[in-house]
Amino acid sequence: EAQVTQNPRYLITVTGKKLTVTCSQNMNHEYMSWYRQDPGLGLRQIYYSMNVEVTDKGDVPEGYKVSRKEKRNFPLILESPSPNQTSLYFCASSPMGRGRGYGYTFGSGTRLTVV
Amino acid sequence: GQQLNQSPQSMFIQEGEDVSMNCTSSSIFNTWLWYKQDPGEGPVLLIALYKAGELTSNGRLTAQFGITRKDSFLNISASIPSDVGIYFCAGRFITNSGGKLIFGQGTELSVKP
Repeated sequence: EAQVTQNPRYLITVTGKKLTVTCSQNMNHEYMSWYRQDPGLGLRQIYYSMNVEVTDKGDVPEGYKVSRKEKRNFPLILESPSPNQTSLYFCASSPMGRGRGYGYTFGSGTRLTVV
Repeated sequence: GQQLNQSPQSMFIQEGEDVSMNCTSSSIFNTWLWYKQDPGEGPVLLIALYKAGELTSNGRLTAQFGITRKDSFLNISASIPSDVGIYFCAGRFITNSGGKLIFGQGTELSVKP
C-alpha cells in the first residue's frame, strides 16, 4: 500500500530535550515536506526537500532541522524543543513535475507536546 | 508571500443540507486542490483542478477552478454525518524547483443528524 509513515504518533517531551520525528514514503517520490498544523492557522510548511541532499526552508523553519540522506526518508529534528513547538505535525510527499497527478500524500500526523 | 483566504472558518449544518466553501487569493495558481481531514488523521485529497474554469465532480462533491485562477470553491450536496471534518483548499504555483503548495486555513464542518 502506497503510504507516508510517521513515527511516533504521539510524543510528550520536556523543553530542551532533542527529538526526531521520522517520516518514510514507499512511493519513490522526489518531493517531501513537513507541515505543522495549529488551530486557525491551517497547514504551514516547515521544510521541504526536492530530492536527496536537497532541502530548503518553508514558511516557519525556525527551531527545526531536516535531512534527506535517502529518497524515502525525511526526518524532522528539534534540537532544543520549546513549548511554542507544541503542535500537530504532518509529513507529505509527492512526485515532482508540472503535469497532472500532482497531489500530496500525507502521513497520519505526530502530535507533539513540549512541557 | 502567497496566501489563501478560506471561508467560512466553520459551519454547523443539518444533515441533508448543501454546503459551500471557497478560497481566494491575490496570487495566481496553476492547480487547485481540495483536501479533507478526519479527526486524528492526515488530509486526504478529494478533488484536483488543473485549468481555469474547470468544474469537476467527485460523487456529492463539486469544485471549480476560478476563471481568474485566483479562487476556487467546493460544494457538498446533501450532506451526511460522515462529511464531518476539516476541509482545506490548496493552491499550487510553479517555482524554479518544480512547485509549491499553499494551504488555506481550513473550514471545519459539523453535520447534525
